[in-house]
Amino acid sequence: TQLLEQSPQFLSIQEGENLTVYCNSSSVFSSLQWYRQEPGEGPVLLVTVVTGGEVKKLKRLTFQFGDARKDSSLHITAAQPGDTGLYLCAGNYDKVIFGPGTSLSVIP
Amino acid sequence: DSGVTQTPKHLITATGQRVTLRCSPRSGDLSVYWYQQSLDQGLQFLIQYYNGEERAKGNILERFSAQQFPDLHSELNLSSLELGDSALYFCASSVDGGPGYGYTFGSGTRLTVV
Repeated sequence: TQLLEQSPQFLSIQEGENLTVYCNSSSVFSSLQWYRQEPGEGPVLLVTVVTGGEVKKLKRLTFQFGDARKDSSLHITAAQPGDTGLYLCAGNYDKVIFGPGTSLSVIP
Repeated sequence: DSGVTQTPKHLITATGQRVTLRCSPRSGDLSVYWYQQSLDQGLQFLIQYYNGEERAKGNILERFSAQQFPDLHSELNLSSLELGDSALYFCASSVDGGPGYGYTFGSGTRLTVV
């Protein structure tokens, strides 16, 4: 069974702090996506990473794909209240598997 | 607005009843996916359709069924509802049927079974 683990499960930080959340699996992904989901809404795609070691930046968000394509991280610099939400990673094998998510709360 | 339209947004029904959830994919997308999200199970894949044909099945119960119509909209039918079926149901779409580059999700239908 292919499983994705995400850590931490919950994170509460002050506005302006930096943070990193992680996505791990024992299996190799062909590609991986990160989504953000706000309460009562559907997940919104943030990024897709494909190549091992790849780094992508989206404003204050930096996404990294592990060299072995088994793990990924999302780093947020100077977090803002608008970053609050559930961050989901989704690993692609022959199908898409979603992780359980990291619930981020940024306090003003 | 993501371009994926789901109706209704909220649904309250009694145990044993049957409901139909509707999804219109983003314009140009051929593939539709249905997901169930609950607090204890996370986002669980139910079923995928591509251009009218069933492409993949996930953890979909026998009481649940789906179809994709010629105009590419899709319906998810849930029957003999149980309290445990209460959840958010999401539809997502993509251009092709592959998992490679991510999905566009609708805003979901919140189903409450009482």
